Amino acid sequence: EFVLTQSPGTLSLSPGERATLSCRASQSISSNYLAWYQQKSGQAPRLLIYAASSRAAGIPDRFSGSGSGTDFTLTISRLEPEDYAVYYCQQPGTFGQGTKVEIK
Amino acid sequence: QLQLQESGPGLVKPSETLSLTCTVSGGSISVTSYYWAWIRQPPGKGLEWIGSMYYSGSNSYYNPSLKSRVTISVDTSKNQFSLKMSSVTAADTAVYYCARQLVALNYFDYWGQGTLVTVSS
Repeated sequence: EFVLTQSPGTLSLSPGERATLSCRASQSISSNYLAWYQQKSGQAPRLLIYAASSRAAGIPDRFSGSGSGTDFTLTISRLEPEDYAVYYCQQPGTFGQGTKVEIK
Repeated sequence: QLQLQESGPGLVKPSETLSLTCTVSGGSISVTSYYWAWIRQPPGKGLEWIGSMYYSGSNSYYNPSLKSRVTISVDTSKNQFSLKMSSVTAADTAVYYCARQLVALNYFDYWGQGTLVTVSS
């Protein structure tokens, strides 16, 4: 069974700080198929990053993605108030369990 | 601007069939580059992909854990696609999202707002 494991489960940070979210795949995947989404409470997920490192339309450049093989990272360079949310990684057929970014 | 909107009953009885429709506006469902997909999220939990279908019906893919109970269909004349899930239980209570999925890279770029379906007698 293919699994995406996200860590940490919760990240407590202050506005202006850097957030680093991890997504680890149980087996090597093509970076073409790794995407990241942001979900705020009561809203549908929003595509942030596709193909591991390409920003979706309208996504601020403080969001960046990197990685290959089994280890992928979403970085938010400086947290803005609107960035506090749950973040999911995804590859075909599977989502990670999510990382919640909360205000410290 | 493409928009997707889910519709269907918010309450379904155990053992019955859940039926939802997604209406696509602002663009055609009959485009070659995309699948049309369903994803769900139980209250307070994460996202689970249910399945995806090409507009022509020639290709469909389902989550193996749900495959025996799920059917996705497309109605190009109405610019809609639908989900049917049989033999539902309380574990199927969730917010159900419809979404557009890029064939080449498999990500979901447009989502509906989601609709809560509760399974209860």
